[in-house]
Amino acid sequence: SQQGEEDPQALSIQEGENATMNCSYKTSINNLQWYRQNSGRGLVHLILIRSNEREKHSGRLRVTLDTSKKSSSLLITASRAADTASYFCATVKDTGRRALTFGSGTRLQVQP
Amino acid sequence: SQTIHQWPATLVQPVGSPLSLECTVEGTSNPNLYWYRQAAGRGLQLLFYSVGIGQISSEVPQNLSASRPQDRQFILSSKKLLLSDSGFYLCAWSGSVQGRGLDGYTFGSGTRLTVV
Repeated sequence: SQQGEEDPQALSIQEGENATMNCSYKTSINNLQWYRQNSGRGLVHLILIRSNEREKHSGRLRVTLDTSKKSSSLLITASRAADTASYFCATVKDTGRRALTFGSGTRLQVQP
Repeated sequence: SQTIHQWPATLVQPVGSPLSLECTVEGTSNPNLYWYRQAAGRGLQLLFYSVGIGQISSEVPQNLSASRPQDRQFILSSKKLLLSDSGFYLCAWSGSVQGRGLDGYTFGSGTRLTVV
């Protein structure tokens, strides 16, 4: 079963606007990661946040983690047409299986 | 630098035929290796992962199998393909201690498999 579930499933915005995607998960985690996938391609790692961290930044990306609510958000500021892609959150559990479990993703469309 | 190779990029196979997808990693030793499958417009489903040569953990009971004959080689196989095996297969590796993926996963470019 999928651990992470993204919301919304699809998002369409204008270039220059901010895009916010949310992710919820069910069990205790060691870390949470966000990936990007261009259509028909492999996934690219964007950013990782550990369970003891609350916020992390990387360029135009900002990730937050609320372990009490078992949720995370990815904010892309000043979006560009090139940001058009699917974005996935993925979690690594604190115990047990040591492999990423992915959500179903958010499809982001940035209109030029 | 580390690279991951996955082939072929696309594959069309008839039902009942065998399958062999190969993934190799360069520039690292003792990687953790993974096979994922992605249905159209969906997330990734973990199929197999390996923390070392000959060590395979299966996540989904089905007609697929995986092998790791060498440290940096991971093979996904099937003796007889089903229509439901169609999908986008992705190989990935991570190098962190204890397999927590703390340095992120690196994915191959994927294989689009269509079973007809």
